[in-house]
Amino acid sequence: GAGVSQSPSNKVTEKGKDVELRCDPISGHTALYWYRQSLGQGLEFLIYFQGNSAPDKSGLPSDRFSAERTGGSVSTLTIQRTQQEDSAVYLCASSLRDRDSPLHFGNGTRLTVT
Amino acid sequence: EDQVTQSPEALRLQEGESSSLNCSYTVSGLRGLFWYRQDPGKGPEFLFTLYSAGEEKEKERLKATLTKKESFLHITAPKPEDSATYLCAVQAYSGGGADGLTFGKGTHLIIQP
Repeated sequence: GAGVSQSPSNKVTEKGKDVELRCDPISGHTALYWYRQSLGQGLEFLIYFQGNSAPDKSGLPSDRFSAERTGGSVSTLTIQRTQQEDSAVYLCASSLRDRDSPLHFGNGTRLTVT
Repeated sequence: EDQVTQSPEALRLQEGESSSLNCSYTVSGLRGLFWYRQDPGKGPEFLFTLYSAGEEKEKERLKATLTKKESFLHITAPKPEDSATYLCAVQAYSGGGADGLTFGKGTHLIIQP
C-alpha cells in the first residue's frame, strides 16, 4: 500500500521567508510525528499528534515553528521567518500507536535556507 | 533523559566479512528498542523491534539482540547492498506523553565488493 508521502521533496528559501511542509500519513494511522535530521546529527523529535491534537510539542525549537493536523490525516509543519540554522531534512512518520506498530517514515523534505 | 549512543560511527567491511554494530542506551523504562536502515536521500526503513533483554530477531543477513543496557546488530556475510546508515532508537513508557523515539546518530556501514 501507499507509504507516508511528504512534499515538497526539496525546498530552497530565502532567510526570513515562511515555509510550509506537508505530510500525508499512511491511511488509518492515528499517530503522526515530525522529526528533523541535520547533517551529522541524529533525528531530533519535534512534535507528536494523536488524531488532530498535539499532546507533545516539547521538541519544537522555537515559537517560529508550528504544526497542525486536520481530519486526523494530513499534517502541515510551518516555519516562520526562516533562519539558516533551520536548514535540515524534515521527516514525517506515522504509526498505529500500538505496541507492535513501528513508525513508518516518509522520505523527508530537504529545506535549504539561503 | 533518554540517551542512545551508537558505535562505531562508520564501518567499512569487505563483502562477506561479518561484524556487529553497537547501540548503548539509557532510558527510564524501555517500551521498545528499534533498528532502522536509512539509505541516502530516503527516510528510515523499519527493521526490528526488541522489547525485553534476551530477545533476538533475524531478517536475512541481519540479527538484532538486546540486553538491559545495549543492543547489537549482527551482520553476517554482508553484501554491497547492505551498505546504509543503521539507526537505533528507544521508546520509553512516557505515561501519556509522546510515544516518539529517541534516536542515536547512526552507524554508516560500507560494504566493499
